[in-house]
Amino acid sequence: NAGVTQTPKFQVLKTGQSMTLQCAQDMNHNSMYWYRQDPGMGLRLIYYSASEGTTDKGEVPNGYNVSRLNKREFSLRLESAAPSQTSVYFCASSEVEGSNQPQHFGDGTRLSIL
Amino acid sequence: DAKTTQPPSMDCAEGRAANLPCNHSTISGNEYVYWYRQIHSQGPQYIIHGLKNNETNEMASLIITEDRKSSTLILPHATLRDTAVYYCIVRVGGSNYKLTFGKGTLLTVNP
Repeated sequence: NAGVTQTPKFQVLKTGQSMTLQCAQDMNHNSMYWYRQDPGMGLRLIYYSASEGTTDKGEVPNGYNVSRLNKREFSLRLESAAPSQTSVYFCASSEVEGSNQPQHFGDGTRLSIL
Repeated sequence: DAKTTQPPSMDCAEGRAANLPCNHSTISGNEYVYWYRQIHSQGPQYIIHGLKNNETNEMASLIITEDRKSSTLILPHATLRDTAVYYCIVRVGGSNYKLTFGKGTLLTVNP
């Protein structure tokens, strides 16, 4: 039972490069989320998708774009990476946005931008 | 969402029950209490949640006081693998998007 799978697990980029972080869930959840976690800051929401075909900004969307490819997959793209985007990125999913059901997280992508 | 207060750290002996407290004195009637944990280098792991009744699952028990102003997460037989940061989160049921993680409690299970 894989749950939420994120790829890659680690990545090093140079400033200005672009890349896409991939996330897939096998729990038939409707809602998906991208967070970033920085030391001492807790998790901050970047974007979320309440259902297939919709996406909305979270607290810290600048510098990121997302695509809800289908019900299973939700990708996060950095168009021009900056050192300030060095972080651990977590994807999460939940059954239905607007319910009390919990979010389930992947194990993260550790991204360093030089 | 209501704010929560947790002790920064706790210790527990392996095999003993770990009781992690959380204060949420400003909780409102439609807010749920969620517990997550984060083991070093891993993603947050959902443990349990509840509204006002006590809850139990295969991982833990959640005890919510009658006035709902505080709760306790109980790990009945702590193991070394339970060493983690535990987060208590209060969130309105039906609200959208983000979970707000505070600083949590670092639980260290000692052999």
